Amino acid sequence: QSSLTQPPSASGTPGQRVTIPCSGSSSNIGSNRVDWYQHLPGTAPKLLIYSNSYRPSGVPDRFSGSRSGTSASLAISGLQSEDEATYYCAAWDDSLIGVVFGGGTKVTVL
Amino acid sequence: QVQLVESGGGVVQPGRSLRLSCTASGFIFNKYAMHWVRQAPGKGLEWVAVIAYDGSHKYHADSVNGRSTISRDNPKNTLYLEMDSLTAEDTAMYYCAKGSVTYSSSSGMDVWGQGTPVTVSS
Repeated sequence: QSSLTQPPSASGTPGQRVTIPCSGSSSNIGSNRVDWYQHLPGTAPKLLIYSNSYRPSGVPDRFSGSRSGTSASLAISGLQSEDEATYYCAAWDDSLIGVVFGGGTKVTVL
Repeated sequence: QVQLVESGGGVVQPGRSLRLSCTASGFIFNKYAMHWVRQAPGKGLEWVAVIAYDGSHKYHADSVNGRSTISRDNPKNTLYLEMDSLTAEDTAMYYCAKGSVTYSSSSGMDVWGQGTPVTVSS
C-alpha cells in the first residue's frame, strides 16, 4: 500500500494536456519536496521533476510540476506518443523515515 | 559518463541470503547519498533503503527492516544491499540510484542503474 495516492491511469490525445494528481499527508508532501519519475517498461526510471517544480537538464518544458499543501501534480502539455509511460510521485516521509512512492499512473496516448 | 551498474541478482531459495552490488562511475561517489529501489512483477516502484554520502545515516523500508543492510565502500565506488531470510515477496528488479543530494532524507534520485533481477523460488 502506497503512502502517496495517484490514479492508476490517465489518457489523452496528442496535443492535449494531462494532469496527474498525487495526494499525501503532512508527514510527506506537506513538509518535504516532491519528485516525479517517468518509467518505461524494460528501462531505468528517469527523474522528470525535482523539488516540486524543477526540470533536470534535457527534460522538455511540456512537463511541469506543482505542490500545494499535502498534494502535488504533474502536468504534461502538448501530449506526445513518446510520453506513454508510468509516472510516479515520491517524497520523503518524516514519520516513516523513508521515501514513499505513489502507486504510479499509466499514461496512454489515444 | 555517469553510470550505475548493478550485479548480484539471480535465483535464490526462500530463506537464503543475497548481496547486491552497484558500481558507480562518472561522478564523485563519496559526495552523494545512494538508494536501492525495487519493482516487483506487475507492481509499482518501492523504495528499499538509503545511505548518506559518508555512510553515517542509513534507513530501510519497513518491508525489509531487520532483514536487510545497505552499505557503501567509497574508495571502491560501490554500493551494497545485503538481504537475509528472503521470501517470494522479495522477488523484484532491484535498482540502485544516485541521490541528488549528500544527505539521506530526500526522495531525489537523478541517476539510475538498469537493475538486477532477483527471483526467490525453490
